[in-house]
Amino acid sequence: DIVMTQSPDSLAVSLGERASINCKSSQSILSSSNNNNYLGWYQQKPGQPPRLLIYWASTRESGVPERFSGSGSGTDFTLTISSLQAEDVAVYYCHQYHSLPFTFGPGTKVDIK
Amino acid sequence: EVQVMESGGGLVQPGGSLRLSCAASGFAFGNYAMTWVRQAPGKGLEWVSVITGLSDNTHYADSVRGRFTISRDNSKNTVSLQMNGLRAEDTAVYYCVKGKSGSRFDGLGVWGRGTTVIVSS
Repeated sequence: DIVMTQSPDSLAVSLGERASINCKSSQSILSSSNNNNYLGWYQQKPGQPPRLLIYWASTRESGVPERFSGSGSGTDFTLTISSLQAEDVAVYYCHQYHSLPFTFGPGTKVDIK
Repeated sequence: EVQVMESGGGLVQPGGSLRLSCAASGFAFGNYAMTWVRQAPGKGLEWVSVITGLSDNTHYADSVRGRFTISRDNSKNTVSLQMNGLRAEDTAVYYCVKGKSGSRFDGLGVWGRGTTVIVSS
C-alpha cells in the first residue's frame, strides 16, 4: 500500500500570511501514461464533512478560492494557502488515488496565530 | 444541486451487521464512481471502498475486505455498504462520496454529511 505522510502535524499562521503543508507518498503517484499526479487535497472544518480543494495535484476545484494552490510531482507535494483567512482554520488531508487501496495522509491542523 | 445523503447508521453489537445506504441526486448517477470513506472518532480519514459507475469494478480496504460489500442501483440512484462481522474498530462516521468521474482513479468530489456507526456491546 502507498503510505502518505504529511508535515507538519499542525501549524499556526497569522492572518494574511502564507501557510504551506507538505505531503509525501511512499511511491510515485505520477502516471507515465498521462503525466498526471493522482493526488487530491481536502479541507475539513470542525463538525463538517471534508471538501475537495485540489485534484490532479494542482487543479483547483470549482468554487475554491484562488488563495489555495497545489504543487509537486512524483512523491512530494505541497498545498499552499497564500493569505490565510479566519475561515481556513481546518484540518487538511492529502489523498492518493493512483494505486488501490487508496490512502489518505494523517492530516495537518491549521490554526490562526 | 448535487447531493448525496447517507442513512442506516446506528448502534450494533460486535459481530453484527448493518447496511448503509446513500441516496444521490442532481447528477447522472450511473456516470460516476461512488466511494465510502470513514472517520473514527477524533481520527483521520480512512478510504473504505469504491464502485465504478456500471458496477464493473469494486475495491476494498484491507481492513474491511471479506466483511463489507459495496453495491449500487443505478435505477434508484443509490449506493449501499453491507457491513457484516462488525468490530469495535469499525466505529466511525461513514461518508458517501461522489467521484469526480466514472473512473475509480479520480478525486472525491462531493461528500455527504455522514452516518454514524457505533459497534459496542
